Amino acid sequence: DSGVTQTPKHLITATGQRVTLRCSPRSGDLSVYWYQQSLDQGLQFLIQYYNGEERAKGNILERFSAQQFPDLHSELNLSSLELGDSALYFCASSGSVTGGSGNTIYFGEGSWLTVV
Amino acid sequence: GEDVEQSLFLSVREGDSSVINCTYTDSSSTYLYWYKQEPGAGLQLLTYIFSNMDMKQDQRLTVLLNKKDKHLSLRIADTQTGDSAIYFCASGGATNKLIFGTGTLLAVQP
Repeated sequence: DSGVTQTPKHLITATGQRVTLRCSPRSGDLSVYWYQQSLDQGLQFLIQYYNGEERAKGNILERFSAQQFPDLHSELNLSSLELGDSALYFCASSGSVTGGSGNTIYFGEGSWLTVV
Repeated sequence: GEDVEQSLFLSVREGDSSVINCTYTDSSSTYLYWYKQEPGAGLQLLTYIFSNMDMKQDQRLTVLLNKKDKHLSLRIADTQTGDSAIYFCASGGATNKLIFGTGTLLAVQP
């Protein structure tokens, strides 16, 4: 158990819909990351938050957004869903933005999203 | 751009050593990671190495880093059937954003 908790584990929804994926980081971790794993793109970095503020952005579509709340949990919002958005979405957390033991990055079990 | 490459498949016999190789392009990588993913499961952090180290050993796992050639390897001693999984190499820079390789499927034959 990595200590990173993601919900829901599985989600099936229709095209055009909107979903929210939730992540609770490891206790004490300030950074939260979101990744997408798909067969054609592999593991892609989407976005990083540190203590509530966006710190780095990757290949995140404009239809997707994220936020980190004061209690440090994070949500990834996916809207106007398309078939190609079907993927495994991972959340990860670490202790600090850079350096030292804060670089141990632990991943949750992921949220399987199927768009039909 | 930043890229991490791995071979796609490795097959070994139980009890042998496995060596999974990885090359990366980002010379500013600070940390390099190995993750394991079993079927239908999440990413399990196996080990990581700081870029100023050449080697790190952790029980059956040995990580070797050749920073000049930007080459990383993971050796698993006495490979067991439970080690069958996909192994991902990842490079991390200043922001901790990880660039992942395609993953190497390790198949352990009994």
